[in-house]
Amino acid sequence: GAVVSQHPSWVICKSGTSVKIECRSLDFQATTMFWYRQFPKQSLMLMATSNEGSKATYEQGVEKDKFLINHASLTLSTLTVTSAHPEDSSFYICSAPTDPTGGTDTQYFGPGTRLTVL
Amino acid sequence: AQSVTQLDSHVSVSEGTPVLLRCNYSSSYSPSLFWYVQHPNKGLQLLLKYTSAATLVKGINGFEAEFKKSETSFHLTKPSAHMSDAAEYFCVVSEWRGSYIPTFGRGTSLIVHP
Repeated sequence: GAVVSQHPSWVICKSGTSVKIECRSLDFQATTMFWYRQFPKQSLMLMATSNEGSKATYEQGVEKDKFLINHASLTLSTLTVTSAHPEDSSFYICSAPTDPTGGTDTQYFGPGTRLTVL
Repeated sequence: AQSVTQLDSHVSVSEGTPVLLRCNYSSSYSPSLFWYVQHPNKGLQLLLKYTSAATLVKGINGFEAEFKKSETSFHLTKPSAHMSDAAEYFCVVSEWRGSYIPTFGRGTSLIVHP
C-alpha cells in the first residue's frame, strides 16, 4: 500500500516557539493531504485540508494563523504550529488519498507526531 | 452531512472469542465506509473498505464487516480474537466535498484478555 511519513515523530519545545511538522507521500503524488489532531483517548479531529499549489481549507474553529499549512510540492505538506502554548500539545497526524479526484477515497496515514509544549 | 456513531467506547473479550465492534452512520449520499486500527502512539492502518461491490467486506488480519443499508450499519467482526488485536478501532465515513473528506467515529478500544 501507499506510504506516508511524518517528521519528526516527536518534538518538545518551549512555549512561544514555532514548530514545523512535515508530511510526505513516499511512493505516490498527493495533491491533497489532511491534517488531524488527536487528544489522548479521543478520536481524530480534522483540522484542515492541504491543497498543493493553493491555500489550505480549514475546518470551523481552527485558527489559520496559529496552524500554518503549506503544500509546496506533490509529495510534501507542512504544518507549522506558531507561538506554541501548552494547550497545543497533542498528537498530530496527516493523511493523503492516493487519488482524491479519481474516485479513490482511501486515506493513508502518517505515523503521527507527538508535540509537547513546555 | 455525514456522521458516524460507534456504539461502544470499550469492548472487552477473551482471546479466542468473537469480536463485534458496532458502527452506525448517516450520509446524504452513497457512502464510502472504512475501518481503521490504531495501535498506541502509532498512525492508522486500513483494515477494510466498503466500495459497494459487495456488502460483506473482508479485510486484513481476519477482520470483516457487513454493510447493511436498511440499518445504516457497518459493524466490524472477527471470529477469534488475538492478543495482538488489542488497539483502538475507528469507523470512518467519507463524503465528497471537492475531495473526499473523512469523518471519524469516536473510536472503540478493544481489550483482549488472555
